[in-house]
Amino acid sequence: RKEVEQDPGPFNVPEGATVAFNCTYSNSASQSFFWYRQDCRKEPKLLMSVYSSGNEDGRFTAQLNRASQYISLLIRDSKLSDSATYLCVVNNPDSGYSTLTFGKGTMLLVSP
Amino acid sequence: EPEVTQTPSHQVTQMGQEVILRCVPISNHLYFYWYRQILGQKVEFLVSFYNNEISEKSEIFDDQFSVERPDGSNFTLKIRSTKLEDSAMYFCASSDYQRMNTGELFFGEGSRLTVL
Repeated sequence: RKEVEQDPGPFNVPEGATVAFNCTYSNSASQSFFWYRQDCRKEPKLLMSVYSSGNEDGRFTAQLNRASQYISLLIRDSKLSDSATYLCVVNNPDSGYSTLTFGKGTMLLVSP
Repeated sequence: EPEVTQTPSHQVTQMGQEVILRCVPISNHLYFYWYRQILGQKVEFLVSFYNNEISEKSEIFDDQFSVERPDGSNFTLKIRSTKLEDSAMYFCASSDYQRMNTGELFFGEGSRLTVL
């Protein structure tokens, strides 16, 4: 069974802190990797794709280690508005139409 | 910004009743999906749909479920005879060809189904 595993948290951090989330995936053939953000009882929204070379978008940095099948997300200078659940998502390459496998998510709570 | 819209936002139904959840995907998208999320659990794939037919379906998507694109704009999920365990948030998603190949989806706000 193809799975994506994440530490559920919650991670409680003060504003301005740096926080890192990790994720492991079991399907070595997966080709596409994402971090989605989900606010409470809302839809998942794409935060960023994760590229092999690592990529940065403002305060957010994503890394991929294919050999270890490990993905990370680093958030610098945390804001109150960053409080959400962060979902690690990989595509299912066994599917011709690229269905997604979601992790259960890591909850982040940023406090003043 | 174009978005995926879903109706109803919340539906309460009795066990055994039929339910239809409706979605309007982004207009130039051709790939459509239903996912569900049971409260406190992960988002799970149900079905994908392209060119007026099911492309993929998960083991969750049994004979009680069906999908349809009746009029070129709506994309519906029907649950024929609801069970208690069907209670969940159902998310519709759509994608275009380029994003489909990379797995990037646009999700609607979801329809919460409560089965009593």
